[in-house]
Amino acid sequence: DAKTTQPTSMDCAEGRAANLPCNHSTISGNEYVYWYRQIHSQGPQYIIHGLKNNETNEMASLIITEDRKSSTLILPHATLRDTAVYYCIVRVQGNTPLVFGKGTRLSVIA
Amino acid sequence: KAGVTQTPRYLIKTRGQQVTLSCSPISGHRSVSWYQQTPGQGLQFLFEYFSETQRNKGNFPGRFSGRQFSNSRSEMNVSTLELGDSALYLCASSLVGSGRLTDTQYFGPGTRLTVL
Repeated sequence: DAKTTQPTSMDCAEGRAANLPCNHSTISGNEYVYWYRQIHSQGPQYIIHGLKNNETNEMASLIITEDRKSSTLILPHATLRDTAVYYCIVRVQGNTPLVFGKGTRLSVIA
Repeated sequence: KAGVTQTPRYLIKTRGQQVTLSCSPISGHRSVSWYQQTPGQGLQFLFEYFSETQRNKGNFPGRFSGRQFSNSRSEMNVSTLELGDSALYLCASSLVGSGRLTDTQYFGPGTRLTVL
């Protein structure tokens, strides 16, 4: 089972920041938080991952709370092409695969 | 660097037939994982291969099998197809796979299998 909880859906106006929350209250000390997104009928696309510090790359920023029980993925200027299902995944140690939950369906609206 | 490639992209089969799907990982990647995605069950892990050995297996019947070749390319096979096997089959590659928490998986575009 997925160790994360995400809202089912969210809307965001084009050009505004999209803030996607994720709860992972049972995360262990050395488990990473990964974010992927999947645009309709395509393969999931890696976005970003982090352990405890905030991370930023060309796609997004990842903010992890100090207690590591939740995180927020931030798309700074959402475009229509960012409409997708966003998956927050806790990478569990011990040779275990990625476990995808249902994710958040983000709709960017013009 | 080229991404993960999967062939064929679309496939139509009938019940009872068998099918083989192929995945070519990113150059240098030695781990390949397979996932099945259906509207009802979402993305579910099938199996992971690393250096030609199966390292992990998901909860799927024995009709689903796979293998990895010495060049890291992988195939998965589904025998005696059922209607419920209709799905998007996704392959992901990474350098070393599930053994390292920071090893990122990159997905291919998938093979859309329709069983009639």
